Amino acid sequence: DAGITQSPRYKITETGRQVTLMCHQTWSHSYMFWYRQDLGHGLRLIYYSAAADITDKGEVPDGYVVSRSKTENFPLTLESATRSQTSVYFCASSESPDTQYFGPGTRLTVL
Amino acid sequence: EDQVTQSPEALRLQEGESSSLNCSYTVSGLRGLFWYRQDPGKGPEFLFTLYSAGEEKEKERLKATLTKKESFLHITAPKPEDSATYLCAVRTNFGNEKLTFGTGTRLTIIP
Repeated sequence: DAGITQSPRYKITETGRQVTLMCHQTWSHSYMFWYRQDLGHGLRLIYYSAAADITDKGEVPDGYVVSRSKTENFPLTLESATRSQTSVYFCASSESPDTQYFGPGTRLTVL
Repeated sequence: EDQVTQSPEALRLQEGESSSLNCSYTVSGLRGLFWYRQDPGKGPEFLFTLYSAGEEKEKERLKATLTKKESFLHITAPKPEDSATYLCAVRTNFGNEKLTFGTGTRLTIIP
């Protein structure tokens, strides 16, 4: 039972580069979410998706792009990475919006 | 704006010493309050969902309660393996699918 996986688990990139974080879930959950976690801020929602081809902005969407062509995948792309995007990124999925199940996270460092 | 405040930020207890963690919230129409546990380097793990004042839920040494303004996570006779950061989150009538998280309480149980 794989559940929800994220890749890569660790990533170092440079300012201005494009980077894509992957999220895959095996439950066929309708909802998927991307959060970032920073000290002092807690978890903040970046984008979410209620179903394939349906996405919406969260609290901190600027500088990020998402897509959801298949129910099980929800990639997050940083089009031109900035140092302020150094963070730990968590993907979550849920059958309803209520109980969300989180992946193991991707630690991203932007130099 | 929805706000979630957790206290204390950190708590150290002796093994077997019971205590409570607090989550106070200011929201416009609560649709659910969630407790998660997060171990270092891992994603949050779902514990409980509470929907209405007076509701209680239990799991092993943990019991979550909810009032109109706050929630408590009671830990009875904790063990070292209960050491983790405990996160509280709320979903509101006007927040769509968004969860607003507090910054967490870091709990350490000393053997």
